[in-house]
Parts: sequence; structure tokens; C-alpha cells
Amino acid sequence: DSGVTQTPKHLITATGQRVTLRCSPRSGDLSVYWYQQSLDQGLQFLIQYYNGEERAKGNILERFSAQQFPDLHSELNLSSLELGDSALYFCASSVGDWAPYEQYFGPGTRLTVT
Amino acid sequence: SQQGEEDPQALSIQEGENATMNCSYKTSINNLQWYRQNSGRGLVHLILIRSNEREKHSGRLRVTLDTSKKSSSLLITASRAADTASYFCATVQPLYSGAGSYQLTFGKGTKLSVIP
Repeated sequence: DSGVTQTPKHLITATGQRVTLRCSPRSGDLSVYWYQQSLDQGLQFLIQYYNGEERAKGNILERFSAQQFPDLHSELNLSSLELGDSALYFCASSVGDWAPYEQYFGPGTRLTVT
Repeated sequence: SQQGEEDPQALSIQEGENATMNCSYKTSINNLQWYRQNSGRGLVHLILIRSNEREKHSGRLRVTLDTSKKSSSLLITASRAADTASYFCATVQPLYSGAGSYQLTFGKGTKLSVIP
């Protein structure tokens, strides 16, 4: 158990809908990272927040957005969903504010868009 | 885009044998990390090796790094059925020049099967 929690575990929704994925980092970690894992693209970095502020942005679509709240939990919002958005979404956390620190991954949310 | 490329894509060995996985990358790195992922679950950090290190050990794991060849290897000795998983190398890449933003870039992984 990494100490990172994610909800929900599974999500099934229809194209065009909007969903919110939630992540709570390990106690004491200030950074939260979001990743998307699909069979064809592999594991892709989406975005990082550090202590409430956006720190780094990767391959995140404009339809996706995220935020980190004062209690450090984070939410990833996915809107206008397409079939291709079906994937495993992971969040990870680390103590520091940049990626070179080792990251602790949550169990993931499996999103299925039908 | 993929930075690290693991080789082989899949590896099947008997319990007790050693397993070696390789990772090649394209650009200079700050550090290189190895992660394990059991089927459909979250990644678990195994080991981090900095760009100025050549070898690192952790239990039954040995990682080497050759920055001149832009490659790394992960050796698991005396493998066990519980080692069955996918193994990923991840390199730390700057996102924007001078902005101090970095990301971990993962390869597609090596799927290791250890047969009891």
C-alpha cells in the first residue's frame, strides 16, 4: 500500500459526458502527478501540482483539467469524453516539487467510455 | 513521447533464474528510475540511479547505468513467482528549458513471467 488513494476504482460512462477522478496523496507529500495509461500510448504524464499550484504540464488535452485543494487532495476533470479516453488514470505523489523525486502511485481509476 | 525503451518486451523464466531487462533512452537525463507494475495495479518504485552513478543495489535488484551508451539494465537475481509483473524504466526530462519543470517519461515496459 503506497498511501495514495484514488476514487473511484472503476468508472463507466458515455461519450460526451464529464467525470471527476479524485486522489489523496501520501501524508506529508506536497506534489501530485496525474498519468494516463493506455495500451497504445503507454504511461503518459498529464500534469503536476505542488502545494496547490500547477507545477508542470505534460500531454494533457484541453478537455482535461485538474486542481489541487488546500488539503492537498487533487481532482482530475475529464469532459466531452471520447472513446479514446478509455484508460487507466493514475495519480502519484512525492514529497518534493519536482519529478526527480521517487513517486508513489495510487491504485488507479479505470475509465471506460462507451 | 516515449523516452525509455525497454528490451525485451516480454521475458519468461523459471523460478530461481536471474532476469535481466534493458532500457535505452535518447537524451541526457537527471536520473533514471525503475518501477514495477502488477497487472492493472499502480506502479511501485523500485530503485533510482542518478546520472553520476554507475551501479546500485537494493536487495535482489541490481541496476546499472551507462550514460555514454544511454542505457540501463535491471537485474533481478534468484527470481520468484511473485516477481511476475511489468517493469518500466523512467527517465527524468526537463519540460521547458530553464523553467525548472520536469517530468518522468516511461517506456512501454518489459513483461516478466516467472514460472514456479
